[in-house]
Amino acid sequence: GIQVEQSPPDLILQEGANSTLRCNFSDSVNNLQWFHQNPWGQLINLFYIPSGTKQNGRLSATTVATERYSLLYISSSQTTDSGVYFCAVRGSLRGSQGNLIFGKGTKLSVKP
Amino acid sequence: DAGVIQSPRHEVTEMGQEVTLRCKPISGHDYLFWYRQTMMRGLELLIYFNNNVPIDDSGMPEDRFSAKMPNASFSTLKIQPSEPRDSAVYFCASSSPGQGSGNTIYFGEGSWLTVV
Repeated sequence: GIQVEQSPPDLILQEGANSTLRCNFSDSVNNLQWFHQNPWGQLINLFYIPSGTKQNGRLSATTVATERYSLLYISSSQTTDSGVYFCAVRGSLRGSQGNLIFGKGTKLSVKP
Repeated sequence: DAGVIQSPRHEVTEMGQEVTLRCKPISGHDYLFWYRQTMMRGLELLIYFNNNVPIDDSGMPEDRFSAKMPNASFSTLKIQPSEPRDSAVYFCASSSPGQGSGNTIYFGEGSWLTVV
């Protein structure tokens, strides 16, 4: 099945710093989402971005589907950005269209 | 919309007891997913339904686990008998078949299960 790899696995930032999280996937996809799991365990949708670029406040994401990667940018990080960031993809091949496969996540800690 | 609603939020049960987790998907969504999250295995899909029909249950760990979706607004995940290794956070999620961002999957807040 499709493989999803995220990097780095852990990231510690000082408040105000910028960061880039990466997600590589092994096959063509028709759905790619970025989630933030906050310290209370909630999985919050950040972006639906199977291709192209989107921005939402201090966060933006870019997916280059032809090269099978996606990037999540966090600018001017805040302590509330701490948590685990997951990339999840749904394959575009027949038979894989239901399943959203998750990477192992990037654990972000933003220090005041 | 209230989002995906799960219950109970927390449950502590003794080994051997039956556990039933409940989920109400977002109205109008016809895909429903059950995921489990553990430290060791991360987020893994257990089963998903389309139009109340189970499509892929290959992630269900063993016969002790069963899931049903009797109607478009309700699903259950049952563990009988429960074992300590079943301790995890169980997430329900739903999505619609729409194009573009309508394909987004939304998660409930999870059911935190501890089996002692």
